[in-house]
Amino acid sequence: GQQVMQIPQYQHVQEGEDFTTYCNSSTTLSNIQWYKQRPGGHPVFLIQLVKSGEVKKQKRLTFQFGEAKKNSSLHITATQTTDVGTYFCAGPGTGANNLFFGTGTRLTVIP
Amino acid sequence: DAGVIQSPRHEVTEMGQEVTLRCKPISGHDYLFWYRQTMMRGLELLIYFNNNVPIDDSGMPEDRFSAKMPNASFSTLKIQPSEPRDSAVYFCASSSRSLLRQFFGPGTRLTVL
Repeated sequence: GQQVMQIPQYQHVQEGEDFTTYCNSSTTLSNIQWYKQRPGGHPVFLIQLVKSGEVKKQKRLTFQFGEAKKNSSLHITATQTTDVGTYFCAGPGTGANNLFFGTGTRLTVIP
Repeated sequence: DAGVIQSPRHEVTEMGQEVTLRCKPISGHDYLFWYRQTMMRGLELLIYFNNNVPIDDSGMPEDRFSAKMPNASFSTLKIQPSEPRDSAVYFCASSSRSLLRQFFGPGTRLTVL
C-alpha cells in the first residue's frame, strides 16, 4: 500500500538554526504537496511540486522534489519562532483528487 | 470567502451517545474530504466525496461511522454509538479539480468519555 514516511518525527532547533525535513515515498509520485499545521490549528497548504528535480523557494523555505520523484525535502533557513508547527508532505492518493499525508515532522524553535 | 466551516469546534460526549459533525465546504469546490487526526495514527483520510457522491470510504473505521453529503454546501459525519477511542480532531477539507490543493476547516475536537 501507499507509504509516505517523513523524517525526523520531531526536531528541536535554536532560533536562527536551519531545519530540514525529508519525505520518502515507496512509489513514484506524480506530484507532492507540503502543508504546515500550527499547534492547535489546521493544515495549511504551502506548495505543490510537479517536475522531477524541481526546486521552489518561498522566502526562507526551500522545497525540492527528487529526480526520481520518490522523495522531497523542505529546508528552512534561519528558523524563527513563527516556524513552529508540524510540516506534512502529501502525495496523490488512490483516487483522482485525494491525498495521502505523510507522518509529519514537528518543529520546535527555542528562542 | 469564509473558508471551510466546521461545527461544533469542540464536542464532549459520553460513550454510547450519537455524535454529528458538520461541514460547509468552500463554495464552488466539488471535492469534500473528512479526516481524523490523532497522535498515534496521524492524519487519516476517512471518506471523500466528489459532486456530493461518496467516492472512497475505505478509511471509515467501522460501521459506527457514516457520512453524508445531501448537497454541495453541506456534509455530516456521524458516529453512533461513540466510543472513547473515537476521541480525536476531525477535519473537513475541500478542493476543486482544477486546484488540487486542499483547504482545511478549523476542525472539531471530539472527546468521548
